[in-house]
Amino acid sequence: GQNIDQPTEMTATEGAIVQINCTYQTSGFNGLFWYQQHAGEAPTFLSYNVLDGLEEKGRFSSFLSRSKGYSYLLLKELQMKDSASYLCAVYQAGTALIFGKGTTLSVSS
Amino acid sequence: DTAVSQTPKYLVTQMGNDKSIKCEQNLGHDTMYWYKQDSKKFLKIMFSYNNKELIINETVPNRFSPKSPDKAHLNLHINSLELGDSAVYFCASSQGAMSTDTQYFGPGTRLTVL
Repeated sequence: GQNIDQPTEMTATEGAIVQINCTYQTSGFNGLFWYQQHAGEAPTFLSYNVLDGLEEKGRFSSFLSRSKGYSYLLLKELQMKDSASYLCAVYQAGTALIFGKGTTLSVSS
Repeated sequence: DTAVSQTPKYLVTQMGNDKSIKCEQNLGHDTMYWYKQDSKKFLKIMFSYNNKELIINETVPNRFSPKSPDKAHLNLHINSLELGDSAVYFCASSQGAMSTDTQYFGPGTRLTVL
């Protein structure tokens, strides 16, 4: 079976740093994706990790530990436009992307 | 614009009706998908096609029938619509069906069944 857990909601203030955690249990792991989804819009790709470690891309970084079944998305210098849902998704061998239920991040001034 | 497009954006219909949603991608991708996102924002894979061939068919009622006339199109036909079918349906595409292939999503079709 598969299980992907993320916090349902998080709040932060502009300029701060926030870390969104994701834990997963899947049979056959082929990589982990983070997507951003603004209300009423399509998910857009943020990052992909398949090896352990940190991938940095501007203000966003994503970390993976395969042995722990754990990933996090780190958002720095938060802006109001970062208010969105952040979806953790695991690529399970032989199937497709399995999504978590998403974390709704609210950034306030 | 290079993108994944879906029509219609909004679809309101009565229970028992049959409806179709169309999806087109001009990214030159080989693989296309249909996802359903329910009211709790949970995004779940329904179908995947690679080069017009069905490769993923999750546990979906057989009232849902995907059709891929060519690599650039994947349509979704739904028979005998039920209240529980109300959701946002997203089409997506990727270069291939490998785990490293990023999926690009269309804008979604919000289906409301009354």
